[in-house]
Amino acid sequence: AQKVTQAQTEISVVEKEDVTLDCVYETRDTTYYLFWYKQPPSGELVFLIRRNSFDEQNEISGRYSWNFQKSTSSFNFTITASQVVDSAVYFCALSELTQGGSEKLVFGKGMKLTVNP
Amino acid sequence: GAVVSQHPSRVICKSGTSVKIECRSLDFQATTMFWYRQFPKQSLMLMATSNEGSKATYEQGVEKDKFLINHASLTLSTLTVTSAHPEDSSFYICSAGRRNYGYTFGSGTRLTVV
Repeated sequence: AQKVTQAQTEISVVEKEDVTLDCVYETRDTTYYLFWYKQPPSGELVFLIRRNSFDEQNEISGRYSWNFQKSTSSFNFTITASQVVDSAVYFCALSELTQGGSEKLVFGKGMKLTVNP
Repeated sequence: GAVVSQHPSRVICKSGTSVKIECRSLDFQATTMFWYRQFPKQSLMLMATSNEGSKATYEQGVEKDKFLINHASLTLSTLTVTSAHPEDSSFYICSAGRRNYGYTFGSGTRLTVV
C-alpha cells in the first residue's frame, strides 16, 4: 500500500529563516501524483502543488520551492524567508488508485510549522 | 475554478442524534467525491469514496451504517453521521476533483457531539 512519511512533526523557526519540510513516499504505482497542502488553524486545506511522477523538474513559486527526487522517493518542500503567516500544518500526500478505478489521497502525518516574529 | 463548498462549517449536536454534512462542487461535475476525517493533531484519514449514482466505497474499519453517504447528483454528496456519540467528534472534510486536474477540498466541518 502507499505510504507517506513526514519525519518531522513540529518545527519552530524565526521569521526570515529558510525551512525545509521533508516528505518520503512509498508506492508500487508507476504513475502517481504527489501533493503538498497547507492547513492553517482555521482548518481548511489549501492546495500548494501537485506533481506528476514523470515530471522531476524542481518547481519554484515565490518563496516556495519543491525538490522531487524519484531516486530517493522524496518530495521536499522549502519555504524561503519564512513569514509568520506561514505558520500552519503542512501535509504531503500521494495519490493511490482505488479498486473501483478512482483515486484517493494518502496523507502523511503532517508537520506543524511555527514561525516566530 | 474547481470550488468545493461544504456545509455546515461547525455543528454541535446531542448524543444520539444524526447530523448531515453537505459537499457541493460549485463549478464542475464530480462523479467521485471523498470524505476524510481528521482527529485533533492528527492526519486526514479517508473514510469513504462517494460515487454518483452508486453505493459508496468505505475504507476498512469505517461503519457503513453509521456514516451514511449519498451522492445523488454530480454536484452533491452528503455524509450523515447517525446516532452520533462523543467519539464521533472530529473534523470532517470532503474533496472532489479529477485525476489529471487535482483535487479541491471543502472547508471542513467541525462536529462536536455533547
